[in-house]
Amino acid sequence: AQTVTQSQPEMSVQEAETVTLSCTYDTSESNYYLFWYKQPPSRQMILVIRQEAYKQQNATENRFSVNFQKAAKSFSLKISDSQLGDTAMYFCAFMKRAGNTPLVFGKGTRLSVIA
Amino acid sequence: DVKVTQSSRYLVKRTGEKVFLECVQDMDHENMFWYRQDPGLGLRLIYFSYDVKMKEKGDIPEGYSVSREKKERFSLILESASTNQTSMYLCASRWGGANEKLFFGSGTQLSVL
Repeated sequence: AQTVTQSQPEMSVQEAETVTLSCTYDTSESNYYLFWYKQPPSRQMILVIRQEAYKQQNATENRFSVNFQKAAKSFSLKISDSQLGDTAMYFCAFMKRAGNTPLVFGKGTRLSVIA
Repeated sequence: DVKVTQSSRYLVKRTGEKVFLECVQDMDHENMFWYRQDPGLGLRLIYFSYDVKMKEKGDIPEGYSVSREKKERFSLILESASTNQTSMYLCASRWGGANEKLFFGSGTQLSVL
């Protein structure tokens, strides 16, 4: 079974600074997806960024980028120029690239952006 | 835009009651999921369904059952609610196969007293 570990339950960052959230995972699969989801106080889950395991290039979406280390099974999220609206729970998730398999989530990191 | 609608945002029930949590999606998605979210535990999969009338147990199915009689609706049932089922419940859906894009509802915060 796959497991996803987020070792930082809470983090804080000053507005406009950069912060990195850690995620490691355990799998014997070679073909999979990795995700970061954001859950603001509204509770709506929002996909921040996704990475396909076969792609060596790290995914980026505006101020959000990942550092994907396949051999180390590490998938960290970097948020640049942090904004107050980035305050949220962040969940790392894993999915096998096979039919009809569910996402497996980590326990989450609560990020607070301080003015 | 895809809509995943959960029937209640907040729900308060008594111990021993039978509770139905409803989830409806409007995009003909084949796969639907029920997750439970608790502080410090993240999202844990209760049940999922990859097609009508099909269901698979997730990691924590005990005390729950599900029903999917129509493609657009996936119901989570607590046969006899207990206080340890007080939690936030999230429904999600997606197209089938290896499609990875998941759409979430806005959650139901259930309190069992």
